[in-house]
Amino acid sequence: QVQLVQSGAEVKKPGASVKVSCKASGYTFTSYYIHWVRQAPGQGLEWMGIINPNGGPTTYSQRLQGRVTMTRDTSTSTVFMDLSSLRSEDTAVYYCARGAPRLENAFDIWGQGTMVTVSS
Amino acid sequence: SYELTQPPSVSVSPGQTASISCSGNKLVDNYVCWYQQRPGQSPVLVIYQDTKRPSGIPERFSGSNSGNTATLTISGTQAMDEADYYCQAWDSSFVVFGGGTKLTVL
Repeated sequence: QVQLVQSGAEVKKPGASVKVSCKASGYTFTSYYIHWVRQAPGQGLEWMGIINPNGGPTTYSQRLQGRVTMTRDTSTSTVFMDLSSLRSEDTAVYYCARGAPRLENAFDIWGQGTMVTVSS
Repeated sequence: SYELTQPPSVSVSPGQTASISCSGNKLVDNYVCWYQQRPGQSPVLVIYQDTKRPSGIPERFSGSNSGNTATLTISGTQAMDEADYYCQAWDSSFVVFGGGTKLTVL
């Protein structure tokens, strides 16, 4: 079935970097954009950016521009999100989500989420 | 930057109709999506393109968008509909989420 499976929970110290993976299966990887969305404890959803698995430029939220990098590996149908210079406010659940062109780019499939904890 | 505003909470009795609003400047010029998120779970798409339901979403979920306000309506609300709901739209090349509304069924 169509799914996005994310890597496991991470604990990082302030100033470090974290890399979260999102492996797609059950559909043509290069046909759907992937978004990253995060949710701090008890808070709402925050969009982080979008990557085209078929190549081309990525787009990042203005708030995270300069600290976030999204890449992909088409050989393994996997997208990666790298967040650097971590601070306590980056503690959150990080989700990848598929944008579906036939649904006007709504997010129709979500990963299970990856908890990233930033603590000294 | 573009902002979407939702009420923090809405309460409804079982079997009644719940309405959750999402406000933004000239929101009618954008397509709006709605997501349901139950505690500890990933969000689920319930409405896209203002009014359309993905397959598998019950008919009691409906949406509208007019002027500066989009509305998610849940008819005959059930206990299982208790969750957080988020609206979402595009602002040029960027995605914007509303702050979320906690729906309580009591």
